Amino acid sequence: DGGITQSPKYLFRKEGQNVTLSCEQNLNHDAMYWYRQDPGQGLRLIYYSQIVNDFQKGDIAEGYSVSREKKESFPLTVTSAQKNPTAFYLCASSKFAGEPVYGYTFGSGTRLTVV
Amino acid sequence: AQSVTQLGSHVSVSEGALVLLRCNYSSSVPPYLFWYVQYPNQGLQLLLKYTTGATLVKGINGFEAEFKKSETSFHLTKPSAHMSDAAEYFCAVRNNAGNMLTFGGGTRLMVKP
Repeated sequence: DGGITQSPKYLFRKEGQNVTLSCEQNLNHDAMYWYRQDPGQGLRLIYYSQIVNDFQKGDIAEGYSVSREKKESFPLTVTSAQKNPTAFYLCASSKFAGEPVYGYTFGSGTRLTVV
Repeated sequence: AQSVTQLGSHVSVSEGALVLLRCNYSSSVPPYLFWYVQYPNQGLQLLLKYTTGATLVKGINGFEAEFKKSETSFHLTKPSAHMSDAAEYFCAVRNNAGNMLTFGGGTRLMVKP
């Protein structure tokens, strides 16, 4: 079955460490998105990509980086510059770049904790 | 800019009672509206969507929503709550550029036995 796979489900980061969250989709979707979710704060957009080799900053991009070298993959790196990275991270995709009429398909999320 | 307001961050109902989750939006283009549900430690799942046509939209798990342009609302309802409906619900609207969704802050639904 087609879908979005996020890994790992749980991730622990030490202070000063960079970590990378994986997001892979086999839906042949053009656009992919990363959101951060904190209790009581809804979803906040970190980065999005409408096409391979191109991506745009969202509302809270500081301390994060992404790449889009393949259509299927959109990994998110949480760098040491992100001072408060503990959160639930969600990856999503949509079929057409520039038209979300079908809505987003979401992965099952990665919970990142700083230890 | 487009925006979504969900009234009530927490809603509590008894099992068997009516569920009503409120969503109001602002948009400078004809809105496409969505409701998603999120169970603990999971991603979001599409419940229903309105793009064009019939203003009463039926979704999965017995939920439905009605688009009311005059009230800029898209409230989610279910006639009879079930314990399994306990989750967080997000309303979303496409942005004015038409290429992304803007989400509301979410409403946590609690169902009492």
